[in-house]
Amino acid sequence: AQSVTQPDIHITVSEGASLELRCNYSYGATPYLFWYVQSPGQGLQLLLKYFSGDTLVQGIKGFEAEFKRSQSSFNLRKPSVHWSDAAEYFCAVGGDQAGTALIFGKGTTLSVSS
Amino acid sequence: DAGVTQSPTHLIKTRGQQVTLRCSPISGHKSVSWYQQVLGQGPQFIFQYYEKEERGRGNFPDRFSARQFPNYSSELNVNALLLGDSALYLCASSLELGGPLHFGNGTRLTVT
Repeated sequence: AQSVTQPDIHITVSEGASLELRCNYSYGATPYLFWYVQSPGQGLQLLLKYFSGDTLVQGIKGFEAEFKRSQSSFNLRKPSVHWSDAAEYFCAVGGDQAGTALIFGKGTTLSVSS
Repeated sequence: DAGVTQSPTHLIKTRGQQVTLRCSPISGHKSVSWYQQVLGQGPQFIFQYYEKEERGRGNFPDRFSARQFPNYSSELNVNALLLGDSALYLCASSLELGGPLHFGNGTRLTVT
């Protein structure tokens, strides 16, 4: 079955510290992988996406993610977290570059402490 | 340019009623998708439309229907509302089928 697992429901990170959010997927075909961020009362904003090629992808706001096919993972990282990064983060997998019929994980809520 | 706009922002309905949610895509975008986000869950795909034709449908009952108009705006209709339909309904648009999705802020539907 196609699915996305985000093992961490809630993570708290100190401002300035590094961040890694985990994502594991199960998908029968070549996966197209996405990370979205959602602030309270807002829609989803695309942080980055992986289609093919270099397994380390750069996104907006200083985020990056690494695709590891052997581990079926697509973890999101940021070297130094800012208070404004506090939000909910969703990993998603789809079958095409358009993100048609995306399958989302349940999300990880990031809190940033000062 | 304006982003994806959805109306209304909030809505309260009673079980058994019908509801229509509206979405205006980013100017020039021809594809619209609808997602349901229940509290504490990730969004779940409902429909995708492109050039007024349905291009994809998620695992939702026939009570859910949608359409896309010549100006590319879209409506999502839900009949015979159930308590479990309470959710944030997100609309997303893309320039073409191959483009990235841009999400609106959603319509919060509460069914009592």
